[in-house]
Amino acid sequence: EAQVTQNPRYLITVTGKKLTVTCSQNMNHEYMSWYRQDPGLGLRQIYYSMNVEVTDKGDVPEGYKVSRKEKRNFPLILESPSPNQTSLYFCASSSGWGADTEAFFGQGTRLTVV
Amino acid sequence: AQSVTQLDSQVPVFEEAPVELRCNYSSSVSVYLFWYVQYPNQGLQLLLKYLSGSTLVKGINGFEAEFNKSQTSFHLRKPSVHISDTAEYFCAVSVFGNEKLTFGTGTRLTIIP
Repeated sequence: EAQVTQNPRYLITVTGKKLTVTCSQNMNHEYMSWYRQDPGLGLRQIYYSMNVEVTDKGDVPEGYKVSRKEKRNFPLILESPSPNQTSLYFCASSSGWGADTEAFFGQGTRLTVV
Repeated sequence: AQSVTQLDSQVPVFEEAPVELRCNYSSSVSVYLFWYVQYPNQGLQLLLKYLSGSTLVKGINGFEAEFNKSQTSFHLRKPSVHISDTAEYFCAVSVFGNEKLTFGTGTRLTIIP
C-alpha cells in the first residue's frame, strides 16, 4: 500500500530538548515536504526536498532543520524546541517535478512543547 | 507569488442539503488548483484537481468543482451531503515549474443531522 508514515503521532516535550520527527514514503517519490498546520492559518510549508541531498526553505523554516540522505526518508529536526512550535505537523511526498502531481500526506504528528 | 483565500472558516449544512465551499486564488501565471479533504485525526487526501481542459472537475465522494478564470475562483460543490462528509476542506494552488502547494486556511464542514 502506498503511504507516507510519520512517527511519532503524538509528542509532548520540554523547551530546548532536541527532537526528531521521522517521515518515510514507499512510493519512490522525489519531492518531499514538511508542513505545519495551525488554526486559522491552514498549512504552511516548512522545508522541502526535490531529491536526495537537495533541500530548501519553505515559508516558515525558522527553528527547524531537515535532511535527505535517502530518497524514502525526510526527518524533521527541532534542535531547541520552543512553545511556539506547538503545532500539527504533516509530511508529504509527490512524484516527479510537475506542479500538477498529487501530494500524499502522512497522518500527522501533534507536537506540544511545554 | 500565488495565494488562496477561503472566506468561510466554518460551514454548517443540514444532511442531504447541497453545499458550496468557496475558494478564490491569486496568481500572475496559469495555475493548477486542488481541493484536499482532512477527516478527523487524519492526514489530507486529494479530493479533486484542475490542471487544464474542462472547467468542471469531478472528484471522489460526489464532489465537483468549477474553475472560473474570470472570477479567479474554484468553488467546491456537492448536491447532497452526508454525515460522513464532516471534515475540513482545503483549497490549494500551484503554478507551472514550481512544485510548491500553497494552501488556503481551510473550511470546516459540519453536517447537521
